[in-house]
Amino acid sequence: DADVTQTPRNRITKTGKRIMLECSQTKGHDRMYWYRQDPGLGLRLIYYSFDVKDINKGEISDGYSVSRQAQAKFSLSLESAIPNQTALYFCATSDLPSDYNEQFFGPGTRLTVL
Amino acid sequence: AQSVSQHNHHVILSEAASLELGCNYSYGGTVNLFWYVQYPGQHLQLLLKYFSGDPLVKGIKGFEAEFIKSKFSFNLRKPSVQWSDTAEYFCAVTPFSGGYNKLIFGAGTRLAVHP
Repeated sequence: DADVTQTPRNRITKTGKRIMLECSQTKGHDRMYWYRQDPGLGLRLIYYSFDVKDINKGEISDGYSVSRQAQAKFSLSLESAIPNQTALYFCATSDLPSDYNEQFFGPGTRLTVL
Repeated sequence: AQSVSQHNHHVILSEAASLELGCNYSYGGTVNLFWYVQYPGQHLQLLLKYFSGDPLVKGIKGFEAEFIKSKFSFNLRKPSVQWSDTAEYFCAVTPFSGGYNKLIFGAGTRLAVHP
């Protein structure tokens, strides 16, 4: 199932570097999300976007920024990466009606910051 | 704050054993409930969901879950596990609290099934 794709799948970088993670979807969904997954903590929401002009912070947005270039594309940036941003990052999408909020996930990007 | 608790972080079973994974949430209002599964090296996939109606929900691969509103619980069950069920399982809840109804995840339960 390649409806939600993420690039790169793996990335190793150094402290202080700028990193961009990209997400594309062919599901035609309006809503897109970025999460990070840490062992023992589950998934935590970083940012979410309801459409190209509507971007919102999640519970752990500090140190991250996003860009919604088009309905199908949602990028996550780490302006100056630090080691505690080492995690597995997931992009997700959902469609209206939002009340049900069923989300569809991409394959994840494993980021290591040295 | 709204939260989701999964009681077991690691579960080890032999094939054919029965499985029950606990999930409790802290919100007194209307909720939608989900179980997601993450097989090794793969992305999260929806296992089953509850929106309304029959509180016993059947999902894919023989899994089911029961919503018990009085206990704020949504436990996942499978009568007989297989080696291929080895994965991490996440319970998630959308509480309807006005505005954006975010999806709150539990910490996950790693299940290892031995042949």
